[in-house]
Amino acid sequence: RKEVEQDPGPFNVPEGATVAFNCTYSNSASQSFFWYRQDCRKEPKLLMSVYSSGNEDGRFTAQLNRASQYISLLIRDSKLSDSATYLCVVTRYSSASKIIFGSGTRLSIRP
Amino acid sequence: GAVVSQHPSWVICKSGTSVKIECRSLDFQATTMFWYRQFPKQSLMLMATSNEGSKATYEQGVEKDKFLINHASLTLSTLTVTSAHPEDSSFYICSAKTSEGLADTQYFGPGTRLTVL
Repeated sequence: RKEVEQDPGPFNVPEGATVAFNCTYSNSASQSFFWYRQDCRKEPKLLMSVYSSGNEDGRFTAQLNRASQYISLLIRDSKLSDSATYLCVVTRYSSASKIIFGSGTRLSIRP
Repeated sequence: GAVVSQHPSWVICKSGTSVKIECRSLDFQATTMFWYRQFPKQSLMLMATSNEGSKATYEQGVEKDKFLINHASLTLSTLTVTSAHPEDSSFYICSAKTSEGLADTQYFGPGTRLTVL
């Protein structure tokens, strides 16, 4: 089982819809959580950090559920430009810092 | 936000040659730099973690003698793919982590697309 798992999708939704996807992690020692966005053939770009209290940035809301070991990303009023792959990133610290990327969830917004 | 550059952005080389990729943090000092590889339609795979002035830490399955990493300063890390073969063709991405602000945040370079003929 992978340490960080995401539904690969693709999620194909109409413009204006609300879409949500989760990312589960297996190591309870995980400490920091992020959502990155990656466009085709480009580098990942940080979308937002994820806090236990949840955080919102415009149309994007991220939440962390430590008890169930998952993080979520909600996109409201989706735009065509939201089409991308969304990567879940988990970091933890033991003897050495460890950064693990999920395999990504592909989102496609249709007109 | 912080800017990370990579050079070259793409390279085509013959099998058996070595290729050097540079990763620079342009407006901040990077305590740690990371090198990733991404094959088509797959996620990023961490290859190694590089701290300035010390030897890189390689992930399991990554040959340190094939992928030479040098982190000579707080703003520059290089990855050299030695004796490249077609199976090394991939998208190589570096990232840099700063000790300031959101300390866990990684800033990614634009990537280097390597094609080995």
